[in-house]
Order: sequence, then C-alpha cells, then structure tokens
Amino acid sequence: GQNIDQPTEMTATEGAIVQINCTYQTSGFNGLFWYQQHAGEAPTFLSYNVLDGLEEKGRFSSFLSRSKGYSYLLLKELQMKDSASYLCAVHTGGFKTIFGAGTRLFVKA
Amino acid sequence: DVKVTQSSRYLVKRTGEKVFLECVQDMDHENMFWYRQDPGLGLRLIYFSYDVKMKEKGDIPEGYSVSREKKERFSLILESASTNQTSMYLCASSRLSGGDQETQYFGPGTRLLVL
Repeated sequence: GQNIDQPTEMTATEGAIVQINCTYQTSGFNGLFWYQQHAGEAPTFLSYNVLDGLEEKGRFSSFLSRSKGYSYLLLKELQMKDSASYLCAVHTGGFKTIFGAGTRLFVKA
Repeated sequence: DVKVTQSSRYLVKRTGEKVFLECVQDMDHENMFWYRQDPGLGLRLIYFSYDVKMKEKGDIPEGYSVSREKKERFSLILESASTNQTSMYLCASSRLSGGDQETQYFGPGTRLLVL
C-alpha cells in the first residue's frame, strides 16, 4: 500500500529550530513536496526534493533520503507566523501525488 | 503569481441536494485536481483532469462527478449530497507532468456542510 507518516503535532519556541520528519512507503517515487497550510487557507508550496541531500531556502531546508524513504523539513529562527500545518507529499508518477495527514506546528513565545 | 479561485468559501446544503463547486485558474495550466481534506486523513484525490473534457478518477470518486468544458475551469458535482460529504474541498492546478512542474497550486478551499 501507499503510506506517508508524519507526527500529528509539534510545539516549539519562537527563535528555535524545529525538524518535522516524514517517512513514506509508496509504489513509485518521482519527488517529495513540502507544503505549508495556515488554518483555513490553501496549502502553499515550500520545497521539492528529487535527489538525496539537503536543499536550503532561506529559513527553511528540506532533506531527502530515497533509500530510507525519509525526509525532513527544518525550520530555523522560528517565528509566530510559522504556526501552521506542514504537509509532506510524494509525487509517485504521472498525475498522482499522495499527501500525508500533515503536522500541526505550534510556535509559542 | 498563479491564482486559483473557488466559487464559495463556505456552503451549507441539505441531504439529497445537487451541489456544484467551481474552480478557476488563470495560469493556463493543463492539469486540474479536486481533493477533499478531512482531519487526520490528509488530502485525498477525488478526480483530476489533464485536458479539456478529459477526466480521470482519483482515490475516492464515488458520489462525485466532474466537468471540464474550458481549460481554466474545473467543476466538482455532488449528484446527491450526503452528510459524509461534509468536508473541506480543495481545487489545485499544475503544469504538464515533469519534475518541478508538478508543483500544485491550490485554491482557498470550500468548506461544505451537508445537513
């Protein structure tokens, strides 16, 4: 079957670093997405990893290990506005993208 | 900037009613998608379309149909709404398949309540 696992909730402090993990088991793999979704709003694109390794984009970085079926999203210098859900999604091929249930991140002062 | 709009943010319907959810994108994307999002389940694909008048079933098509008469517009139809179709419905669009071009751009969502 197809499965994407990520923690349901995480809490972190403003200014800190937080790592959100995602493990996946899918029948195909073309790439892995991370999306951010604020409450009541649309998911917005954060990153897309195709090859193994770390990709950095400002305060956000995303890591992929295809052999381990594992990815993480790293958020540095946390801000209150980073409180949101973070969705891990695997593009398995063609038009198919499978989404995880999302990790709700709470940033406290 | 890509813009995907949905006809309603909130909708309340009665069981048995026919419901139309409209989605429009302005970036000339070939692919369009309809998902529903429920707590703890993530986004689940209902239907997608890769061209005008073309449609494919997703993972949970039962009770739904779609229409794509124009490239920019993709409609989701609930033929006879039921209470288990109460959910958040998200529309998305993307360019043709191929690496980074698979990034999907989402609309703001329609929260549907079926009484």
